Amino acid sequence: DSGVTQTPKHLITATGQRVTLRCSPRSGDLSVYWYQQSLDQGLQFLIQYYNGEERAKGNILERFSAQQFPDLHSELNLSSLELGDSALYFCASSISGQTNQPQHFGDGTRLSIL
Amino acid sequence: QQQVKQSPQSLIVQKGGISIINCAYENTAFDYFPWYQQFPGKGPALLIAIRPDVSEKKEGRFTISFNKSAKQFSLHIMDSQPGDSATYFCAASRPGSSNTGKLIFGQGTTLQVKP
Repeated sequence: DSGVTQTPKHLITATGQRVTLRCSPRSGDLSVYWYQQSLDQGLQFLIQYYNGEERAKGNILERFSAQQFPDLHSELNLSSLELGDSALYFCASSISGQTNQPQHFGDGTRLSIL
Repeated sequence: QQQVKQSPQSLIVQKGGISIINCAYENTAFDYFPWYQQFPGKGPALLIAIRPDVSEKKEGRFTISFNKSAKQFSLHIMDSQPGDSATYFCAASRPGSSNTGKLIFGQGTTLQVKP
C-alpha cells in the first residue's frame, strides 16, 4: 500500500460530460502529481502541485484542470470529455516535489468514455 | 530531448534467469533515474533509483547499471521469479525551478517469467 488514495476506482461516463478525480497524498507529502496512462501514449505527466501551488505543467489539455487544497488533497477535473480521454489517471505524491524525491503512486482511476 | 526510450517492449525469461531491460535518454540534464514495477490493476511502485554520479546500484535481486557517457541505463533482475511478472518502466527527471520533479517515462516492458 503506497499510502496514496484515489477515488473513484472506476468511472464510466459519456462524451461531453465532466468528471472530478480525487487524490489524497501520503501523510506528510506536500507535492502531488497527476499522470495519464493510455495504451498508445504510455505514462504521461499532466501537472504537479506543491503545497497548494502549481509547479509544473505537462501536456495537459485545456479541458483539464486541477487544484490542490489546503489539506493537500488534489482534484483533477476533466470536462467536455471525448472518447480519447479514456485512460487510467494516476496520482502520485512526494515529500518535497524535488527531482530526486521518490514519487509514490496510487492505484489510479480508470475512466471510460462511452 | 525529453524522451526516454525503453527496450524491449516484452520479455520472456525462465525462472532463475536474468531479466535485462534497457533505457536510453538524450537530455544530459536528467539527474534522477528511477525504475517502477506495475502489476495489473495497480499503480506503478518504485523499485530502485539511481543518480548519474554512480555507475551501479543494487537492492536485493534488482540492479541498475548506469552508463553516463552512453546515456543509457538498465535494470537487471537476477534469479527472476514468476512473481516478478509485471510491467517495468524506466523514468528520468531533471532539476528545474524549485520543487519540480516530473517524471518522463519509458514506454514500458512487459516481463513474463515462466516457471
